[in-house]
Amino acid sequence: DAGITQSPRYKITETGRQVTLMCHQTWSHSYMFWYRQDLGHGLRLIYYSAAADITDKGEVPDGYVVSRSKTENFPLTLESATRSQTSVYFCASSARSWGGTGELFFGEGSRLTVL
Amino acid sequence: DAKTTQPPSMDCAEGRAANLPCNHSTISGNEYVYWYRQIHSQGPQYIIHGLKNNETNEMASLIITEDRKSSTLILPHATLRDTAVYYCIVRGVGAQKLVFGQGTRLTINP
Repeated sequence: DAGITQSPRYKITETGRQVTLMCHQTWSHSYMFWYRQDLGHGLRLIYYSAAADITDKGEVPDGYVVSRSKTENFPLTLESATRSQTSVYFCASSARSWGGTGELFFGEGSRLTVL
Repeated sequence: DAKTTQPPSMDCAEGRAANLPCNHSTISGNEYVYWYRQIHSQGPQYIIHGLKNNETNEMASLIITEDRKSSTLILPHATLRDTAVYYCIVRGVGAQKLVFGQGTRLTINP
């Protein structure tokens, strides 16, 4: 089905483990984004990508790694998970980033718990 | 991108118009105003955007003041399903990212 999908939807892991959250979109959108959402902080941008092999840091990039080898995929990796990374993670994509047409389409979120 | 200020919460009666204000006094000429909402724990959903002129679509209307320093999102006939957090965001031409603030938690009461 067309759209943007995230996996896994729920994940429990332990401190120090590596975790990868997957994001896949079927629209061939150029731009993709990762946000995290915590109580009291709203949505905060972690990383974003303007195209394959082009990524840039957002507001809170520390502790995360991203890659974009294919346009449709934008995985987010926590190399050594910490309790402070317990959060809900949202992936989003956009066809264009400017000119009033930069509507973002969000996935359903991945809820990560780090014990 | 210019910062925005929204009230943390609002209430509205079902069937009435919900008017959500947003201040963006430092907005510059090439920055757009976007509105998104987030229902419960779902991903945010685009509502509407505008530059200078008022805009209307099937979901809502956006009224931007002449000096562009503030705007109002109007849900003309609010329903219980409109209960959500509403985010007002200012985003410039060429800006690659959307930065969310705290938003307004709108509760529609029966």
